[in-house]
Amino acid sequence: RKEVEQDPGPFNVPEGATVAFNCTYSNSASQSFFWYRQDCRKEPKLLMSVYSSGNEDGRFTAQLNRASQYISLLIRDSKLSDSATYLCVVKGTGGFKTIFGAGTRLFVKA
Amino acid sequence: NAGVTQTPKFRILKIGQSMTLQCAQDMNHNYMYWYRQDPGMGLKLIYYSVGAGITDKGEVPNGYNVSRSTTEDFPLRLELAAPSQTSVYFCASSTPPAGGSSHEQYFGPGTRLTVT
Repeated sequence: RKEVEQDPGPFNVPEGATVAFNCTYSNSASQSFFWYRQDCRKEPKLLMSVYSSGNEDGRFTAQLNRASQYISLLIRDSKLSDSATYLCVVKGTGGFKTIFGAGTRLFVKA
Repeated sequence: NAGVTQTPKFRILKIGQSMTLQCAQDMNHNYMYWYRQDPGMGLKLIYYSVGAGITDKGEVPNGYNVSRSTTEDFPLRLELAAPSQTSVYFCASSTPPAGGSSHEQYFGPGTRLTVT
């Protein structure tokens, strides 16, 4: 089993749609969770951290479910500019063991 | 601030050749990292450094070497290039994590390396 698993997609949605991605992780001792965004042939950039209480940033909402070991990302009112690959990132306790998921591709169409 | 810069952007190597991928950051970050990203795969950590003079292996260090003589620079050396090292290489930097809490990594634009 991979340490961090994501549905690779692609998710094809129309503008204005709501779309959700899940990511599961295998190490129950994982401490920190993030969503990064990666545009085609570009470097990853932090989209948002994921807190235990859940957090929201504009149209983006991230949730953490420790019992089931998954995190989610919800995008409301999708824009064309949201088209990208979304990377789930999990960090363990101490050290620098940061695990990147392979990413979920999203295409938002007009 | 330029952030994290990497050179070259692209490179084609023949099997057995050597090269150094350059990485520099101007944010005074102590922590720096090298990752590789293969098609359809997540980033894998090659080496990391917590400060000048201190480096350590990540998940996939074989075939690579690093040095960190200054806070700003963290070059990655490939000694005997192999086709399996064909990948996109990303350098990143960050501030130290506070008590294990989240900390953002800032990535360079990447180096696309092909070994034939």
